[in-house]
Amino acid sequence: EVQLVESGGGLVQPGGSLRLSCAASGFTFSYSAMHWVRQVPGKGLEYVSGISSNGGSTYYAKSVEGRFTISRDNSKNTLYLQMGSLRAEDMAVYYCARARGLSGKDPFDYWGQGILVTVSS
Amino acid sequence: DIQMTQSPSTLSASVGDRVTITCRASQSISIWLAWYQQKPGKAPKFLIYAASTLESGVPSRFSGSGSGTEFTLTISSLQPDDFATYYCQQYNTYSWTFGQGTKVEIK
Repeated sequence: EVQLVESGGGLVQPGGSLRLSCAASGFTFSYSAMHWVRQVPGKGLEYVSGISSNGGSTYYAKSVEGRFTISRDNSKNTLYLQMGSLRAEDMAVYYCARARGLSGKDPFDYWGQGILVTVSS
Repeated sequence: DIQMTQSPSTLSASVGDRVTITCRASQSISIWLAWYQQKPGKAPKFLIYAASTLESGVPSRFSGSGSGTEFTLTISSLQPDDFATYYCQQYNTYSWTFGQGTKVEIK
Protein backbone atom coordinates (compact mmCIF):
# COMPACT_ATOMS: atom_id res chain seq x y z
CA GLU A 1 0.00 0.00 0.00
CA VAL A 2 1.35 3.38 -1.01
CA GLN A 3 1.80 5.69 1.96
CA LEU A 4 3.04 9.25 2.14
CA VAL A 5 3.44 10.78 5.58
CA GLU A 6 4.34 14.44 6.02
CA SER A 7 6.05 15.84 9.08
CA GLY A 8 7.84 18.99 10.23
CA GLY A 9 4.99 21.46 10.15
CA GLY A 10 4.10 23.87 12.88
CA LEU A 11 4.26 27.50 13.93
CA VAL A 12 7.00 29.72 12.56
CA GLN A 13 7.52 33.47 12.68
CA PRO A 14 7.43 35.60 9.54
CA GLY A 15 10.87 35.53 7.95
CA GLY A 16 11.64 32.20 9.55
CA SER A 17 12.45 28.79 8.10
CA LEU A 18 10.97 25.33 8.30
CA ARG A 19 11.75 21.98 6.69
CA LEU A 20 8.97 19.61 5.76
CA SER A 21 9.58 15.91 5.21
CA CYS A 22 7.51 13.31 3.43
CA ALA A 23 8.26 9.66 4.21
CA ALA A 24 7.24 7.33 1.41
CA SER A 25 6.53 3.61 1.54
CA GLY A 26 4.77 0.93 -0.47
CA PHE A 27 6.39 1.74 -3.81
CA THR A 28 9.81 2.19 -5.37
CA PHE A 29 10.43 5.78 -4.34
CA SER A 30 13.45 6.24 -6.59
CA TYR A 31 11.29 5.63 -9.68
CA SER A 32 8.77 8.39 -8.98
CA ALA A 33 8.82 12.14 -9.40
CA MET A 34 7.39 13.83 -6.33
CA HIS A 35 5.62 17.10 -5.65
CA TRP A 36 4.39 19.49 -2.98
CA VAL A 37 0.97 21.11 -3.18
CA ARG A 38 -0.50 23.49 -0.62
CA GLN A 39 -3.94 24.62 0.38
CA VAL A 40 -4.97 27.54 2.50
CA PRO A 41 -7.82 26.22 4.68
CA GLY A 42 -11.09 26.79 2.88
CA LYS A 43 -9.36 27.67 -0.41
CA GLY A 44 -8.17 25.84 -3.50
CA LEU A 45 -5.10 23.75 -4.31
CA GLU A 46 -1.88 25.52 -5.28
CA TYR A 47 1.11 23.79 -6.85
CA VAL A 48 4.32 24.51 -4.95
CA SER A 49 7.25 22.44 -6.17
CA GLY A 50 8.32 19.19 -7.79
CA ILE A 51 11.41 17.05 -8.29
CA SER A 52 12.30 14.35 -10.77
CA SER A 53 12.93 10.77 -9.71
CA ASN A 54 16.72 11.17 -9.54
CA GLY A 55 16.60 14.71 -8.19
CA GLY A 56 18.20 16.13 -11.32
CA SER A 57 15.28 18.41 -12.20
CA THR A 58 13.31 20.66 -9.90
CA TYR A 59 10.28 22.83 -10.46
CA TYR A 60 8.87 25.74 -8.47
CA ALA A 61 5.84 27.97 -8.49
CA LYS A 62 6.78 31.60 -8.98
CA SER A 63 5.32 32.39 -5.56
CA VAL A 64 8.01 30.31 -3.81
CA GLU A 65 10.95 30.36 -6.22
CA GLY A 66 14.10 31.53 -4.51
CA ARG A 67 12.66 30.93 -1.03
CA PHE A 68 11.82 27.21 -1.06
CA THR A 69 14.09 24.30 -1.99
CA ILE A 70 12.85 20.82 -2.82
CA SER A 71 15.12 17.81 -2.43
CA ARG A 72 14.97 14.07 -1.92
CA ASP A 73 16.98 11.27 -0.41
CA ASN A 74 16.23 8.09 -2.33
CA SER A 75 18.21 6.02 0.15
CA LYS A 76 15.80 7.13 2.88
CA ASN A 77 12.65 7.20 0.72
CA THR A 78 12.08 10.75 1.84
CA LEU A 79 11.09 13.99 0.14
CA TYR A 80 11.90 17.37 1.63
CA LEU A 81 10.79 20.97 1.30
CA GLN A 82 13.07 23.56 2.85
CA MET A 83 11.06 26.73 3.29
CA GLY A 84 12.73 30.06 3.99
CA SER A 85 11.76 33.73 4.28
CA LEU A 86 8.31 32.58 5.22
CA ARG A 87 5.41 34.96 4.79
CA ALA A 88 1.86 35.02 6.09
CA GLU A 89 0.66 33.94 2.66
CA ASP A 90 2.68 30.71 2.94
CA MET A 91 0.42 29.56 5.77
CA ALA A 92 -1.37 26.49 4.48
CA VAL A 93 -1.73 22.74 4.64
CA TYR A 94 1.13 21.24 2.65
CA TYR A 95 0.63 17.93 0.85
CA CYS A 96 3.26 15.74 -0.73
CA ALA A 97 2.09 13.82 -3.77
CA ARG A 98 3.44 11.14 -6.05
CA ALA A 99 3.53 11.58 -9.80
CA ARG A 100 1.70 8.89 -11.68
CA GLY A 101 3.86 7.58 -14.51
CA LEU A 102 7.41 8.15 -15.63
CA SER A 103 7.11 10.87 -18.27
CA GLY A 104 8.00 13.71 -15.95
CA LYS A 105 4.75 15.47 -16.79
CA ASP A 106 2.22 13.42 -14.87
CA PRO A 107 -0.77 13.94 -12.58
CA PHE A 108 -0.62 13.00 -8.92
CA ASP A 109 -2.07 9.64 -7.94
CA TYR A 110 -1.25 9.42 -4.24
CA TRP A 111 -1.27 12.18 -1.65
CA GLY A 112 -0.19 12.44 1.95
CA GLN A 113 -2.59 13.48 4.67
CA GLY A 114 -1.18 17.00 4.75
CA ILE A 115 0.71 19.02 7.35
CA LEU A 116 -0.20 22.48 8.59
CA VAL A 117 2.29 25.32 8.44
CA THR A 118 1.33 28.40 10.41
CA VAL A 119 3.23 31.64 9.88
CA SER A 120 2.54 34.11 12.63
CA SER A 121 4.32 36.27 15.19
CA ASP B 1 1.62 30.11 -17.28
CA ILE B 2 -1.46 28.10 -18.17
CA GLN B 3 -4.55 29.19 -16.24
CA MET B 4 -7.37 26.77 -15.47
CA THR B 5 -10.91 28.05 -14.94
CA GLN B 6 -13.69 25.87 -13.59
CA SER B 7 -17.41 26.51 -13.73
CA PRO B 8 -19.58 26.68 -11.83
CA SER B 9 -17.86 27.46 -8.53
CA THR B 10 -20.73 25.87 -6.63
CA LEU B 11 -23.32 23.43 -7.82
CA SER B 12 -26.43 22.39 -5.90
CA ALA B 13 -27.81 19.00 -6.85
CA SER B 14 -29.84 16.08 -5.55
CA VAL B 15 -29.01 12.41 -5.27
CA GLY B 16 -29.60 10.81 -8.66
CA ASP B 17 -28.97 13.99 -10.65
CA ARG B 18 -26.62 14.12 -13.60
CA VAL B 19 -23.92 16.66 -12.85
CA THR B 20 -21.45 18.32 -15.23
CA ILE B 21 -18.45 20.47 -14.30
CA THR B 22 -16.49 22.40 -16.91
CA CYS B 23 -12.78 23.21 -16.90
CA ARG B 24 -11.20 25.56 -19.42
CA ALA B 25 -7.50 26.02 -20.09
CA SER B 26 -6.01 29.35 -21.18
CA GLN B 27 -4.18 27.53 -23.99
CA SER B 28 -4.28 24.09 -25.52
CA ILE B 29 -3.20 21.28 -23.22
CA SER B 30 -4.11 18.42 -25.58
CA ILE B 31 -5.58 15.74 -23.31
CA TRP B 32 -3.27 16.33 -20.35
CA LEU B 33 -5.92 17.00 -17.77
CA ALA B 34 -6.72 15.30 -14.49
CA TRP B 35 -9.65 15.50 -12.07
CA TYR B 36 -9.55 15.18 -8.29
CA GLN B 37 -12.20 14.91 -5.58
CA GLN B 38 -11.62 16.43 -2.16
CA LYS B 39 -13.71 16.14 0.97
CA PRO B 40 -13.33 18.46 3.97
CA GLY B 41 -10.22 17.73 6.01
CA LYS B 42 -9.00 15.10 3.56
CA ALA B 43 -6.35 14.94 0.85
CA PRO B 44 -7.47 15.10 -2.77
CA LYS B 45 -8.38 11.81 -4.41
CA PHE B 46 -7.24 11.10 -7.96
CA LEU B 47 -10.17 10.32 -10.26
CA ILE B 48 -9.37 10.78 -13.94
CA TYR B 49 -6.27 11.34 -16.08
CA ALA B 50 -5.62 12.00 -19.75
CA ALA B 51 -8.98 13.81 -19.76
CA SER B 52 -11.09 10.66 -19.89
CA THR B 53 -9.28 7.68 -18.35
CA LEU B 54 -10.74 6.55 -15.05
CA GLU B 55 -8.24 5.68 -12.35
CA SER B 56 -8.57 2.14 -11.07
CA GLY B 57 -11.30 1.79 -8.45
CA VAL B 58 -13.17 4.95 -9.39
CA PRO B 59 -16.89 4.28 -9.94
CA SER B 60 -18.06 4.21 -13.53
CA ARG B 61 -20.63 6.96 -12.87
CA PHE B 62 -17.67 9.35 -13.20
CA SER B 63 -16.56 10.24 -16.71
CA GLY B 64 -14.38 12.85 -18.32
CA SER B 65 -14.20 14.28 -21.80
CA GLY B 66 -12.59 17.01 -23.82
CA SER B 67 -9.35 18.04 -25.43
CA GLY B 68 -7.51 21.22 -26.27
CA THR B 69 -8.93 23.88 -23.99
CA GLU B 70 -12.34 22.62 -22.87
CA PHE B 71 -13.01 19.68 -20.60
CA THR B 72 -15.88 18.26 -18.60
CA LEU B 73 -16.33 15.99 -15.62
CA THR B 74 -19.70 14.26 -15.50
CA ILE B 75 -21.28 12.29 -12.69
CA SER B 76 -24.09 10.33 -14.27
CA SER B 77 -26.13 9.73 -11.13
CA LEU B 78 -25.00 11.65 -8.07
CA GLN B 79 -24.54 9.54 -4.95
CA PRO B 80 -24.36 10.71 -1.32
CA ASP B 81 -20.61 10.00 -1.27
CA ASP B 82 -20.06 12.36 -4.22
CA PHE B 83 -20.82 15.60 -2.38
CA ALA B 84 -17.36 17.16 -2.36
CA THR B 85 -15.17 19.70 -4.13
CA TYR B 86 -13.73 18.79 -7.52
CA TYR B 87 -10.55 20.19 -9.03
CA CYS B 88 -9.13 19.95 -12.53
CA GLN B 89 -5.37 20.05 -13.09
CA GLN B 90 -3.34 20.51 -16.24
CA TYR B 91 -0.06 18.66 -16.62
CA ASN B 92 0.85 19.61 -20.17
CA THR B 93 3.87 21.58 -19.04
CA TYR B 94 6.36 21.45 -16.19
CA SER B 95 4.16 23.87 -14.27
CA TRP B 96 1.17 21.95 -13.00
CA THR B 97 -1.88 24.15 -12.47
CA PHE B 98 -5.17 23.54 -10.70
CA GLY B 99 -8.58 25.01 -11.32
CA GLN B 100 -10.15 26.93 -8.47
CA GLY B 101 -12.51 24.09 -7.61
CA THR B 102 -16.22 23.30 -7.90
CA LYS B 103 -18.14 22.48 -4.76
CA VAL B 104 -20.99 20.02 -5.28
CA GLU B 105 -23.47 20.51 -2.47
CA ILE B 106 -26.79 19.01 -1.52
CA LYS B 107 -29.80 20.81 -2.94
